[in-house]
Amino acid sequence: GAVVSQHPSWVICKSGTSVKIECRSLDFQATTMFWYRQFPKQSLMLMATSNEGSKATYEQGVEKDKFLINHASLTLSTLTVTSAHPEDSSFYICSAWDRGGTDTQYFGPGTRLTVL
Amino acid sequence: GENVEQHPSTLSVQEGDSAVIKCTYSDSASNYFPWYKQELGKGPQLIIDIRSNVGEKKDQRIAVTLNKTAKHFSLHITETQPEDSAVYFCAATSYNFNKFYFGSGTKLNVKP
Repeated sequence: GAVVSQHPSWVICKSGTSVKIECRSLDFQATTMFWYRQFPKQSLMLMATSNEGSKATYEQGVEKDKFLINHASLTLSTLTVTSAHPEDSSFYICSAWDRGGTDTQYFGPGTRLTVL
Repeated sequence: GENVEQHPSTLSVQEGDSAVIKCTYSDSASNYFPWYKQELGKGPQLIIDIRSNVGEKKDQRIAVTLNKTAKHFSLHITETQPEDSAVYFCAATSYNFNKFYFGSGTKLNVKP
């Protein structure tokens, strides 16, 4: 299947700092990428839909000024957690939709964020 | 919007037995149903999917069935092995939704 990478795989930061997470589709172009958040033993919670060249669409209850999303190219989307606080600690997972190929969604390996 | 329900939340089977996980969905417009396997600390991995124009799809020990009339689909794993132990998620979507709706997950434990 197609490959989606995320970087970093884990990050520890101090409260008040900003953290950027990258999501790349390695072998296909993705006009649409998604960002999810997952709490322990729970399902994936969609945070936002990232569309190349346009503004992201955020789900209800997700602060767009806190979770900045940039989808500047067909293979890269970034999520920046601004002014992170301990409650932002979570497992963040991105996915990319291979519309031009298999027409399905592939997930990255996830990023574990810990805010001290 | 779409609502996907998944059962059971946990499932324990003996190695070699079969495992079945079921999902129901609410929106008749949904036409694509993937299944993902997630191991601890990793992202979900697509294991099989089915589109609404077929009723069943099989890939070695894994199969998925779809009943559009009843709006439910199921994952079947035969001859289970300890490495099948993971959390499995179903999802539903349509080309009009532009996003996937996930079930709550099933933790499968295959006992050796």
